[in-house]
Amino acid sequence: KAGVTQTPRYLIKTRGQQVTLSCSPISGHRSVSWYQQTPGQGLQFLFEYFSETQRNKGNFPGRFSGRQFSNSRSEMNVSTLELGDSALYLCASSILGGVTGELFFGEGSRLTVL
Amino acid sequence: EDKVVQSPLSLVVHEGDTVTLNCSYEVTNFRSLLWYKQEKKAPTFLFMLTSSGIEKKSGRLSSILDKKELSSILNITATQTGDSAIYLCAQPQDSNYQLIWGAGTKLIIKP
Repeated sequence: KAGVTQTPRYLIKTRGQQVTLSCSPISGHRSVSWYQQTPGQGLQFLFEYFSETQRNKGNFPGRFSGRQFSNSRSEMNVSTLELGDSALYLCASSILGGVTGELFFGEGSRLTVL
Repeated sequence: EDKVVQSPLSLVVHEGDTVTLNCSYEVTNFRSLLWYKQEKKAPTFLFMLTSSGIEKKSGRLSSILDKKELSSILNITATQTGDSAIYLCAQPQDSNYQLIWGAGTKLIIKP
């Protein structure tokens, strides 16, 4: 069974631009969570979508947004990029949600903001 | 505030050694504790510990939960270079049931 697919894998943007990242979960998984990972910071929770509804949101500014489509694919958008947004953005899918069991992660999208 | 702290932050050992990684937590209501391994990019699930399942084992890896001490350890025996990775622990946060993560332990196994 295909794993979680994230695109693009790498991207470089400049301050002030915006970016859209995509995540295709494992077939049958309705929950998609997004995380930001920076060195020494661990994974910081951004938001979770379940059946097209945002179920939870972390402590990130409104520049970070997301959505989920009827096929469970999810996108996240970051507007007005700042240098501090440079990070690995990971998407994870699960049947019901991470706290009930195992999360399956994609390979991530490495964003560099110049 | 719920918190997960891992130690050490990094560790270098030789092949064949045994290592113990630590995860301590502060949560209002304990539900579970999870361990993940991150080799390159995608973390992969190792164990989930709960009040009814405080000890898990898979091959050379094992994990124990100590609810009195609010901590968990991950043991790896007879380490191999393929064990080199970042090991992450996580817990469901009480306020929104989302996972909060420790900063991870970077483990390097030298041949």
